Parts: sequence; structure tokens; C-alpha cells
Amino acid sequence: AQSVTQPDIHITVSEGASLELRCNYSYGATPYLFWYVQSPGQGLQLLLKYFSGDTLVQGIKGFEAEFKRSQSSFNLRKPSVHWSDAAEYFCAVGAAGNQFYFGTGTSLTVIP
Amino acid sequence: DTAVSQTPKYLVTQMGNDKSIKCEQNLGHDTMYWYKQDSKKFLKIMFSYNNKELIINETVPNRFSPKSPDKAHLNLHINSLELGDSAVYFCASSQVPQGGEPQHFGDGTRLSIL
Repeated sequence: AQSVTQPDIHITVSEGASLELRCNYSYGATPYLFWYVQSPGQGLQLLLKYFSGDTLVQGIKGFEAEFKRSQSSFNLRKPSVHWSDAAEYFCAVGAAGNQFYFGTGTSLTVIP
Repeated sequence: DTAVSQTPKYLVTQMGNDKSIKCEQNLGHDTMYWYKQDSKKFLKIMFSYNNKELIINETVPNRFSPKSPDKAHLNLHINSLELGDSAVYFCASSQVPQGGEPQHFGDGTRLSIL
């Protein structure tokens, strides 16, 4: 069965520091992978997506993610975090048959 | 222009009542969804419609009934509300019903049952 794991429930980083949010998936075929961000009181906004091709994908707001098939991972990174990046981050897998599976989310706190 | 809009944003009501949440998308998408996000932020799909036809119907109580009058609208009606229904409900849409299509979300409806 398909699943998505985000091992870190909560992460705290200092403003200006680098960030990496982990995501591992379980899926038999090549997955469609997504990262979404949810600001307080808001819906989910798509940061980036991976379908095929280059395993390093660029997204909005300076985020990037790298697909590593051997590790079944799709980690999200940002070289320098801004206070406005504080939010909940969700990794998701899109599968055949219009199924969509979300991870449990990672809450990011940014300290000045 | 709001792409996916839900109303109301907040809904506070008592156990046993019936309530509806409305969703509209102006993206021209064919597929719409309802998700439930619990207090631990876990997102679970409830329903999906493609061109007004139900294509995903996860295990949810029969008290939840979606209705899609046209492909731009997907409403959620809930009968006999229970305490466990308290959650944030998100509507979403995608261009086609494929797992590779990104979904666009509304801002959510926060339902609180007293």
C-alpha cells in the first residue's frame, strides 16, 4: 500500500539557517511527488512537484526538493529560512486512480 | 480572484444539527475533492468527483453526503453532527482525475461541534 512518512513532527530553525524537511514514501511504481505548505488558517499551497526527469526540482519561495529513488525519499530544502516560512509542510504522493496520500506534516518554527 | 472558495469559513453548531459547506472553483477543473483535517493536522480524502460523478468515496459515515450540481461546485452536507466531526474540511480541485495532477485547495471550513 502507498504511504508517506514525514519523520519530523516539529522542527525549529533560526532565521537565515538552512532547512531540510524529510519525506519518505512507499509506492510500487514511479510516484508523483509533491510538497505543500499550509500557513495558519489557510489552505494548502503547492510548493513544487516531481513527475519525472531531473531529480532536483525547484519550487516557489526559494524551495527545492530532491528525489532519490534508492532511498525512497523526496526531501525539501531551503538554503536560508525566512520568518515567513513558519508553517506546516506536507509531503504527498499521487498514485494511479486519482489517489492522493499526504504525510502527517512537519511543523516549522523560525526563531529570530 | 479566489481559485477555490469555501463557505462558511467557520461553522459552530450543536450536536445533532444538519449543516452544509459549499465549495466553488473557477479554475475550469474537472475534478473536485473533500478532505478532512483533524486536530493533529492529518489530511484524509473523503470524496472526489469528476464532471459531477463520484469517483472516490472513502470510508466515511453515511451522514456525510456530497453533491455536485455542476463541475465547478461540490457541496458537503452533514446530517446529525457528532463531536467527532469537529475538524477543518478542505475542498480542492484538479484539472483531471489523475494522481499526477496537483490539487488546488480552498482555505478550509473550521467546523466546531458544541
